[in-house]
Amino acid sequence: EAGVVQSPRYKIIEKKQPVAFWCNPISGHNTLYWYLQNLGQGPELLIRYENEEAVDDSQLPKDRFSAERLKGVDSTLKIQPAELGDSAVYLCASSLGGASHEQYFGPGTRLTVT
Amino acid sequence: KQEVTQIPAALSVPEGENLVLNCSFTDSAIYNLQWFRQDPGKGLTSLLLIQSSQREQTSGRLNASLDKSSGRSTLYIAASQPGDSATYLCAAQNSGNTPLVFGKGTRLSVIA
Repeated sequence: EAGVVQSPRYKIIEKKQPVAFWCNPISGHNTLYWYLQNLGQGPELLIRYENEEAVDDSQLPKDRFSAERLKGVDSTLKIQPAELGDSAVYLCASSLGGASHEQYFGPGTRLTVT
Repeated sequence: KQEVTQIPAALSVPEGENLVLNCSFTDSAIYNLQWFRQDPGKGLTSLLLIQSSQREQTSGRLNASLDKSSGRSTLYIAASQPGDSATYLCAAQNSGNTPLVFGKGTRLSVIA
């Protein structure tokens, strides 16, 4: 069974540029999460989807971050414009229907903003 | 607001030793608690998930316990191996509709 797939694995951009991350969850997993992980810290939730509906985006900085999961499968997280403080690892995770099931994580995208 | 703390932040042990990693949480009304492993530059691998009605879960050399009343969970690793070297994170979930709250992790080094 394929795991959660993320791309790109690494991204280096200059500040004020846009950037997008892509995630393909485990087949059959209705719940998808985007997390932000700073160095030496645990992941923090940015947004959670149940199918195509964003059910928890309270921690998403909506002035520059956006996300979509149009067909309830793949998801894209976008930052526009990026700031130096956005340098971090962006992790995608998925789980079976509902938020209480075991979460499976992708390898993450390491973003460096210069 | 749930807060999760992991102590120690780093631990170094010789190969073969049994060890315990600690996780504490402030809100005892948790729904479940999950332990993860993270290798450098990699994502998180789920190790064990303990539902609130359970007291422990076991997988191979790993055993995780949960004591809601004291707000603590422990991850026991038996007969440690160099391949166990990684950062171990615990995360608590308060209900089915709330996010996982992670600790900062314990960085484990097992020396051959």
